[in-house]
Amino acid sequence: DAGVIQSPRHEVTEMGQEVTLRCKPISGHDYLFWYRQTMMRGLELLIYFNNNVPIDDSGMPEDRFSAKMPNASFSTLKIQPSEPRDSAVYFCASSLDGQGLTEAFFGQGTRLTVV
Amino acid sequence: ILNVEQSPQSLHVQEGDSTNFTCSFPSSNFYALHWYRWETAKSPEALFVMTLNGDEKKKGRISATLNTKEGYSYLYIKGSQPEDSATYLCAPASGGSYIPTFGRGTSLIVHP
Repeated sequence: DAGVIQSPRHEVTEMGQEVTLRCKPISGHDYLFWYRQTMMRGLELLIYFNNNVPIDDSGMPEDRFSAKMPNASFSTLKIQPSEPRDSAVYFCASSLDGQGLTEAFFGQGTRLTVV
Repeated sequence: ILNVEQSPQSLHVQEGDSTNFTCSFPSSNFYALHWYRWETAKSPEALFVMTLNGDEKKKGRISATLNTKEGYSYLYIKGSQPEDSATYLCAPASGGSYIPTFGRGTSLIVHP
């Protein structure tokens, strides 16, 4: 398996534009996580899915953020409209289980810059 | 939000030195603790998954211990090498949450 694949690797967009980040988890992993890395908060969990169903989105900063997982091999994180404070590195990760018993495998991340 | 404390925040050592870091977390309802290594411009990679009180795990020169009753874990690096330079993250799942919460990490720089 090629691991967790994220696209794009870098995204520069203007304030107010819609941004969509994409993730392909490792095949067979039941859990998918979206994280955001910032200087202020470190690596924070935004939302996670179990078998394509969103379980906890309490980490999503506000209504401008939404995430979907239409099937087991694809997830998106959308920001609309984007703002400069959304600039960060966004990571997707997947794991076999959601009870902390197996490690999470991370994608390479998407570096988002909103100008 | 789970309170995860890692110390020190950063550490500079000389090649060959041995070093250790601490991760503190709420001891109630403990499920598991992960250690990750995060090199600059890469993504975090798992080192250890620990679940039992008294657990000790080892991978090469890196080892970790776990005390779930008092809520801490230590990561040790023996004979540090420049390639060990990275941020080391701990992520416990405790306090009623199954999902590991990441600490801010310890940034290690090993000078040749």
